[in-house]
Amino acid sequence: DVKVTQSSRYLVKRTGEKVFLECVQDMDHENMFWYRQDPGLGLRLIYFSYDVKMKEKGDIPEGYSVSREKKERFSLILESASTNQTSMYLCASSLPRSIDNYQPQHFGDGTRLSIL
Amino acid sequence: GQQLNQSPQSMFIQEGEDVSMNCTSSSIFNTWLWYKQDPGEGPVLLIALYKAGELTSNGRLTAQFGITRKDSFLNISASIPSDVGIYFCAGQLSNTGNQFYFGTGTSLTVIP
Repeated sequence: DVKVTQSSRYLVKRTGEKVFLECVQDMDHENMFWYRQDPGLGLRLIYFSYDVKMKEKGDIPEGYSVSREKKERFSLILESASTNQTSMYLCASSLPRSIDNYQPQHFGDGTRLSIL
Repeated sequence: GQQLNQSPQSMFIQEGEDVSMNCTSSSIFNTWLWYKQDPGEGPVLLIALYKAGELTSNGRLTAQFGITRKDSFLNISASIPSDVGIYFCAGQLSNTGNQFYFGTGTSLTVIP
């Protein structure tokens, strides 16, 4: 089974702090994703990466950056945390799209981040 | 980003009842996925659909890829308490590589 591990289940930080959320997957997946989940809004894509050192903006990248130095690890960075970034953050990974099929994403258990 | 409209937003049902939920989009999707999220955990894939008209089952769950490719349906038969959770649909356009767009979720409560 695919294992996607997020370093923290709960995190509390202060406004203005630089925050790092870490995600590790053990299935040698090329693709990794960061989402935030808010009530009534579903999952919204922040950034994704399809290879080491590669990154692509998702739908809501503002206020965030990412780092992918190793294939198994994808970090989400809040450069200067603000209260509107209080949310549940979900990391996911997948194989790249194949010719015949699209590859589903496998999720971690999430990090519930509170910015005070 | 793409808008996926998922309905209903929430459901409260008696144990043993059947459940139906759907997801619609203004765009044509090439893949539809259905996920379930248990409280305090990440979403887990239930069913993947790859062809228009496809009907796929996973135990008591059945999902269909709409003929128009703009919608998908999920049915749960004979619900049980462990079906409680949030159900998400996700769709992939043909030209967005590996990105999926997610619906807003249907929260299901099963009353024993």
